Amino acid sequence: NAGVTQTPKFRILKIGQSMTLQCAQDMNHNYMYWYRQDPGMGLKLIYYSVGAGITDKGEVPNGYNVSRSTTEDFPLRLELAAPSQTSVYFCASKADMLGTEAFFGQGTRLTVV
Amino acid sequence: DAKTTQPPSMDCAEGRAANLPCNHSTISGNEYVYWYRQIHSQGPQYIIHGLKNNETNEMASLIITEDRKSSTLILPHATLRDTAVYYCIVRVAANTGNQFYFGTGTSLTVIP
Repeated sequence: NAGVTQTPKFRILKIGQSMTLQCAQDMNHNYMYWYRQDPGMGLKLIYYSVGAGITDKGEVPNGYNVSRSTTEDFPLRLELAAPSQTSVYFCASKADMLGTEAFFGQGTRLTVV
Repeated sequence: DAKTTQPPSMDCAEGRAANLPCNHSTISGNEYVYWYRQIHSQGPQYIIHGLKNNETNEMASLIITEDRKSSTLILPHATLRDTAVYYCIVRVAANTGNQFYFGTGTSLTVIP
């Protein structure tokens, strides 16, 4: 049982480059989330999805895009990387039922130089 | 907007109970209180959640006040491995889904 899998674990980008952070879950969860965590800070919600084909913005969506073509995958896209996007990114998934817990991936550490 | 308020840091002696408070004065009647913790830079780990009643599991107890405006997470016998940042989260139901918003959490240090 893999749970929530994020790839890559680490990445260094140059300013202006683009990349996609991958997130996959094998629990058939409808709800998926992307968070970022800056050093010494709490988690901030970037985007979330309540099912395939449905996405919505969270607290800090600027500079990111997402898609949800399947239930399993929820990739996060950075089009023009900026130093302010240096952070650790966490993906999470959750079942539909009220009161159920969210499962988190182990994170992707991104540095933009 | 912050949904919860927690003290930024706390210390606890090893073997003693750690009591972590959380204020959620604007909580709605159908919103749950969740607690997660994060050790170093690992992914957050679920601890416990509750709606109205007090809850207990193998990790912790959750005490929710009668008016539901605050709660306390209790680690009954803190160990060094419980040193982590603890997040109290109120689950907000948006029109199209349920969003999890994290505050800044409480950094708990368990002291030998």
